[in-house]
Amino acid sequence: AQSVTQPDIHITVSEGASLELRCNYSYGATPYLFWYVQSPGQGLQLLLKYFSGDTLVQGIKGFEAEFKRSQSSFNLRKPSVHWSDAAEYFCAVEVGRDDKIIFGKGTRLHILP
Amino acid sequence: EAGVAQSPRYKIIEKRQSVAFWCNPISGHATLYWYQQILGQGPKLLIQFQNNGVVDDSQLPKDRFSAERLKGVDSTLKIQPAKLEDSAVYLCASSPGLAPFLHFGEGSWLTVV
Repeated sequence: AQSVTQPDIHITVSEGASLELRCNYSYGATPYLFWYVQSPGQGLQLLLKYFSGDTLVQGIKGFEAEFKRSQSSFNLRKPSVHWSDAAEYFCAVEVGRDDKIIFGKGTRLHILP
Repeated sequence: EAGVAQSPRYKIIEKRQSVAFWCNPISGHATLYWYQQILGQGPKLLIQFQNNGVVDDSQLPKDRFSAERLKGVDSTLKIQPAKLEDSAVYLCASSPGLAPFLHFGEGSWLTVV
């Protein structure tokens, strides 16, 4: 069955430090891949997406992600985090070609001052 | 462009009562999704519409949940009777189709007591 795994439930980093959030997926073909961010009490906002082409994609707020087919991964990175980046981050995958999107369980990011 | 609108934002009901949530997608978006997000978990797809037809409702608990999309625009999600475990945020999202690009509403928070 198709699935999305985010192995880290919580991650804490210091402000100004680099960040990497992990995402692995289980799907036969090359899927469409997404990262969303959710601030407390808010809906989900798209950070970036991968459909095809260059495997390193740039998103909003200084985030980027790299698709690695051999590892079935789509990890999210940011070189220097800001306190405002504290939120929950969800990796998502389109499975099939009928626009069905499934989400991982999320990683909550905490920022130390 | 106006975003995805959802109402009510918050609802508290007793178990065995009924509740309905309304969603107005972005104008022209063919695909509409309802997700359930339980606290601390990722969004779970309940139902996906393409125009006014159902694409996927495999995870919709059909004994108590129902959803419809009127004339391929607005949608209503109903729960009857509610159970304690239905306490969650109900997220509506829409996509223009062709390629999945979900735009989320702010969600409807349901507490069942």
